[in-house]
Amino acid sequence: GQQLNQSPQSMFIQEGEDVSMNCTSSSIFNTWLWYKQDPGEGPVLLIALYKAGELTSNGRLTAQFGITRKDSFLNISASIPSDVGIYFCAGELRKGSQGNLIFGKGTKLSVKP
Amino acid sequence: SQTIHQWPATLVQPVGSPLSLECTVEGTSNPNLYWYRQAAGRGLQLLFYSIGIDQISSEVPQNLSASRPQDRQFILSSKKLLLSDSGFYLCAWSRPNTEAFFGQGTRLTVV
Repeated sequence: GQQLNQSPQSMFIQEGEDVSMNCTSSSIFNTWLWYKQDPGEGPVLLIALYKAGELTSNGRLTAQFGITRKDSFLNISASIPSDVGIYFCAGELRKGSQGNLIFGKGTKLSVKP
Repeated sequence: SQTIHQWPATLVQPVGSPLSLECTVEGTSNPNLYWYRQAAGRGLQLLFYSIGIDQISSEVPQNLSASRPQDRQFILSSKKLLLSDSGFYLCAWSRPNTEAFFGQGTRLTVV
């Protein structure tokens, strides 16, 4: 089946550092989404991308929909302790594919004050 | 605005007992509804999705079933729980072809 390869699996960084994570696939996606999950909570949507090449920011977060539609990255600038959590990418394969939202395995971010 | 409610937050059940997890959405009509399972704090596995009342698709064969008795209500059930059913279960909703929004999750421990 289709897969999203998300990397890195985990990151240990110092407060103030920038963070970059990405997702790639051999399949073409119509939508790329980035979620953050705090321990014991449901994932919360951070950024949604709908067009190839689209670059969108949400505060210190920036994400881009790759031009090939097979990849996306998420950057976090000047990380702070509350950025800790698991970040998931998710992609929707095609319009009308109800339920075909495929998730990466997540990037676990740890921030050292 | 739309909200999604999922309960209970935590549940400990013995092997062989039944299960019923409930999810409701407010503030929208005819949402797509989803049940996901997350093991060991990583990875989200789609279990069921529904595009309408009594329209439910199963993504993986398993010991679980889902029902949608009302437009904005989605229920995850099992007749007899297995140890391997333990995990973190998440309900989500979306409008067609848009992002999904998640509930707070249910931590199920089968003992």
